[in-house]
Amino acid sequence: EVQLVESGGGLVQPGGSLKLSCAASGFSFSGSTIHWVRQASGKGLEWVGRIRSKADSYATAYAASVKDRFTISRDDSKNTAYLQMNSLKTEDTAVYYCTRHPGFDLWGRGTLVTVSS
Amino acid sequence: DIQMTQSPSSLSASVGDRVTITCRASQSISSYLNWYQQKPGKAPKLLIHAASSLQSGVPSRFSGSGSGTDFTLIISSLQPEDFAIYYCQQSYNIPLTFGGGTKVEIK
Repeated sequence: EVQLVESGGGLVQPGGSLKLSCAASGFSFSGSTIHWVRQASGKGLEWVGRIRSKADSYATAYAASVKDRFTISRDDSKNTAYLQMNSLKTEDTAVYYCTRHPGFDLWGRGTLVTVSS
Repeated sequence: DIQMTQSPSSLSASVGDRVTITCRASQSISSYLNWYQQKPGKAPKLLIHAASSLQSGVPSRFSGSGSGTDFTLIISSLQPEDFAIYYCQQSYNIPLTFGGGTKVEIK
C-alpha cells in the first residue's frame, strides 16, 4: 500500500525536544522530496520545511518560524524522514504532516505535538 | 515570501449549487498552484495540481483555472461530501505558502 505514516508526537514542555518520523511504503521514497506541513488546531496549513533526494544532495529548506530550531533528515535505507524539533515553543503545538513531492498527492494522517507546561 | 489570498473565507451553499473559490498570489507563480480539500480530523487531499489538472480519482465536478496571479476553483454541482475547507497552495518557490482556506458550509 502506498502510504506515509507519521509518528513520534506527544506532549513536551517548552524548551524541550521531540523527533518525528515519517515512514514511507509502496513507492520510490529515495527519489522523492519530503515536506513537513503543520496545522494548529482550528488554523490553516503552514509549511515547515523539506528535504530533497540524494540526487539533489539532500538539500533542506525551512520556514523562518522554525529555522535554526528544526532539522529535517532522512534515511533512505529505512524509507523514513525525520523532523528533529528543538527549543520547542507553545506556538509549535500542531498536527504535523509529511507529504511527498513531486505531486503533494500523498499525505500521512499526521501526528499531534503539544508544547505545554 | 509569496502571499496567497483566498476568498471568500467562508460560504454557505446548497447541494447542487455552483461554487467558486478564488486565490490570488502576491506575485506571478505561473501555474504552480494546487488546490486541496480538507475535512475535520483528516489530512489535506489534493484536488487540482498545476492550476488546472484534475488529480486522479477526483470527481469531474471539480475544476481549476488561472495562471500568473489569479486562480479559481469551481465545484460545478455541490454534493453533500463536498462540505469541507479548501486551500490553495503555491509550489513556485520556497517557502511554500497556503491560502487561508475557504470553509464551504451547508445552507
